[in-house]
Amino acid sequence: AQSVTQPDIHITVSEGASLELRCNYSYGATPYLFWYVQSPGQGLQLLLKYFSGDTLVQGIKGFEAEFKRSQSSFNLRKPSVHWSDAAEYFCAVAGNTGNQFYFGTGTSLTVIP
Amino acid sequence: NAGVMQNPRHLVRRRGQEARLRCSPMKGHSHVYWYRQLPEEGLKFMVYLQKENIIDESGMPKERFSAEFPKEGPSILRIQQVVRGDSAAYFCASTRSGQGTGNTIYFGEGSWLTVV
Repeated sequence: AQSVTQPDIHITVSEGASLELRCNYSYGATPYLFWYVQSPGQGLQLLLKYFSGDTLVQGIKGFEAEFKRSQSSFNLRKPSVHWSDAAEYFCAVAGNTGNQFYFGTGTSLTVIP
Repeated sequence: NAGVMQNPRHLVRRRGQEARLRCSPMKGHSHVYWYRQLPEEGLKFMVYLQKENIIDESGMPKERFSAEFPKEGPSILRIQQVVRGDSAAYFCASTRSGQGTGNTIYFGEGSWLTVV
């Protein structure tokens, strides 16, 4: 069965520091992978997605993620975090045989001055 | 190009009342998904619909919950006889075609239901 694990429930980083949010998935074939960001009281905004091709994908707001098949991971990174990046981040996987997205439980990011 | 539109954004209902949440997909999208987000939890799939058809309702509670996506008009998620445990954010999302084609899913801003 498809599933997504985000091991870190909460992360705190200093503004200007680098960031990596972890995401591991379980899926038998090549998955479609996504990262979304949710600000309080808001909907989910797509940051980036991986369907095929280059395993390092660039997204909006300076985010990038790398698909590593051998580790079943799709970690999100940003070289320098801004205070406005504080939000909830969700990793998601979709397969090519089903009609569902499977979401991780999210990682809450706090940015301190 | 308008995104996924949900209304109401916030809804308060007393226990036992009915809640109706509406969703208009993005222009050109014919596939609608409903998700529920409970406090401090991730998103849980509820139902996937195309026009006039329920494709997958495996995430829907067996009782009190129903969804439709008529030929004309928005998709509606209906919760009858609400209980406090129904308090959550309900997100609608849409894709141009079925998810199996690798399309991106776009989310609405959500409808926050509070049951008092």
